Amino acid sequence: NAGVTQTPKFRVLKTGQSMTLLCAQDMNHEYMYWYRQDPGMGLRLIHYSVGEGTTAKGEVPDGYNVSRLKKQNFLLGLESAAPSQTSVYFCASSYASSGSRDEQYFGPGTRLTVT
Amino acid sequence: ELKVEQNPLFLSMQEGKNYTIYCNYSTTSDRLYWYRQDPGKSLESLFVLLSNGAVKQEGRLMASLDTKARLSTLHITAAVHDLSATYFCAVNYGGSQGNLIFGKGTKLSVKP
Repeated sequence: NAGVTQTPKFRVLKTGQSMTLLCAQDMNHEYMYWYRQDPGMGLRLIHYSVGEGTTAKGEVPDGYNVSRLKKQNFLLGLESAAPSQTSVYFCASSYASSGSRDEQYFGPGTRLTVT
Repeated sequence: ELKVEQNPLFLSMQEGKNYTIYCNYSTTSDRLYWYRQDPGKSLESLFVLLSNGAVKQEGRLMASLDTKARLSTLHITAAVHDLSATYFCAVNYGGSQGNLIFGKGTKLSVKP
């Protein structure tokens, strides 16, 4: 049981390049989330998904796209990277959205630098 | 707009001392979470507080929730070096989506 995994762990991009971050969970969770963490800012929600085939915008969605084609995977795409997207990206998942089973489990993070 | 404020943002304390981290939030929510993050690592769930008056304890850490005051506290008892980390509180704001708003974190350093 690996929990939540993220690929890659590190990446350096040049401005304008594109890339996809992969998040996978093996806990059969319905809900999945992408956050970014910047120094002194806490975590901010980029996009989320409440089930396979569904996605929705979070607090800071501009410049990102997501897809949830399979329940266990949640992909985050950057179509044209900008230096402002330099950050650490965390994926999280949860079984439910309310009650005692809505605790979010986080992946190890992806450190992205855009030059 | 929901805001979550933690204070202090930085805390340096000696081993053996007690201290409290505060988490205030601006709108109604009945669920609050505390996470711990070690440098360069992911977030680890510490506590899930689901109702007014909820109190949970794990080792030297105790968390409480007062939904009427929109306040949660994380109390540290007899701090040890291993507790050095950044602590985040997060509040559910998204209703059925389970979306969280995080505070900026409290960086705790426990010195011998």
